[in-house]
Amino acid sequence: EAGVAQSPRYKIIEKRQSVAFWCNPISGHATLYWYQQILGQGPKLLIQFQNNGVVDDSQLPKDRFSAERLKGVDSTLKIQPAKLEDSAVYLCASSLSAGGPREQFFGPGTRLTVL
Amino acid sequence: TQLLEQSPQFLSIQEGENLTVYCNSSSVFSSLQWYRQEPGEGPVLLVTVVTGGEVKKLKRLTFQFGDARKDSSLHITAAQPGDTGLYLCAGARSSGNTPLVFGKGTRLSVIA
Repeated sequence: EAGVAQSPRYKIIEKRQSVAFWCNPISGHATLYWYQQILGQGPKLLIQFQNNGVVDDSQLPKDRFSAERLKGVDSTLKIQPAKLEDSAVYLCASSLSAGGPREQFFGPGTRLTVL
Repeated sequence: TQLLEQSPQFLSIQEGENLTVYCNSSSVFSSLQWYRQEPGEGPVLLVTVVTGGEVKKLKRLTFQFGDARKDSSLHITAAQPGDTGLYLCAGARSSGNTPLVFGKGTRLSVIA
């Protein structure tokens, strides 16, 4: 079974530029998550989708970050404009939609460096 | 304020030693998960604990959920270099489709 795919793996941009990340979850997984992991810290949830609807985006900086999952499958996360403090690894994860604690399957992440 | 505090933050030990890492909170969690993350990869689930006082074993790893469901520990017996990685605990405040809250992790290095 293919895992969660993310691209690009690495991205270097100047501050105030825009960047977009792509994620393709495991087939059949209804729930998709985007996390930000700053060096030395654990992942912080940015947004959670259930199919193509947003479940939680309370920690998404909506003035600069946006995300969509239009067809309920793959998703894009965009930053516009980027700031230095956005340098981090952006992880995408997916899980089956079911009651109780569910295993989240993570992709390899996109390492973003903002100069 | 960090909801889940992990300790120690860093740990470097010799192969064959035993170790325990902790995940503590003042909040009650419906369930708690432990993940391991290696450089350049995403976290991989090791275990989920849901019942207060629950103990789960995975080969040389023993996981315990506190009676009050506010804390957890991970004990590794006879550590091996392959155990090296970042160990993350993550808690769910309620059952169902609620987001996970991750701790900052314990970075373990096992030296051969």
